[in-house]
Amino acid sequence: ELKVEQNPLFLSMQEGKNYTIYCNYSTTSDRLYWYRQDPGKSLESLFVLLSNGAVKQEGRLMASLDTKARLSTLHITAAVHDLSATYFCALYSDEKLTFGTGTRLTIIP
Amino acid sequence: EAGVAQSPRYKIIEKRQSVAFWCNPISGHATLYWYQQILGQGPKLLIQFQNNGVVDDSQLPKDRFSAERLKGVDSTLKIQPAKLEDSAVYLCASALELAGPGELFFGEGSRLTVL
Repeated sequence: ELKVEQNPLFLSMQEGKNYTIYCNYSTTSDRLYWYRQDPGKSLESLFVLLSNGAVKQEGRLMASLDTKARLSTLHITAAVHDLSATYFCALYSDEKLTFGTGTRLTIIP
Repeated sequence: EAGVAQSPRYKIIEKRQSVAFWCNPISGHATLYWYQQILGQGPKLLIQFQNNGVVDDSQLPKDRFSAERLKGVDSTLKIQPAKLEDSAVYLCASALELAGPGELFFGEGSRLTVL
């Protein structure tokens, strides 16, 4: 059974600090997505990573993919309050998208 | 470009009643997905359509859940009879094609509460 695991599940960080969310998965794939979800809202696509070594950056967020290690990371630089949300990674394999457990991020002033 | 439309946004029913959710994907998107998201968890795939054919329904509880996508556009997800554990947000998503590198676009979701 395919497993997509994120850690940490909960993360409180101070504004201005850096941190990384990890996404591990159990099968071979070269396509991984990161989504953001605000409370009561739907999922917003952040990044699509399509190959080993792929790195994408948008503002204070940077995502990378290591298919050999079956690991993706989402790095947050100099966090600001409006980054508070739940972040999901999702792995595309066997023609379907399997989501991770989610990381609830709270930025503290 | 219009996004994925879902209705109703909220529904409250009693257990053993039935409910139906509707989804209109982005125009031209061949692939449509229904996901169930229980509070505090990641979305779980229920069923996936390519045009009007089912690609994967392995995680759909077929004794109570059914879904169809007539004419390869709109889709309806039905639950009959509902159980307490069906309380969740039902998310519809669409994608341009099944095997391409494109991303999924999600609707706002339909929040179901079963009492």
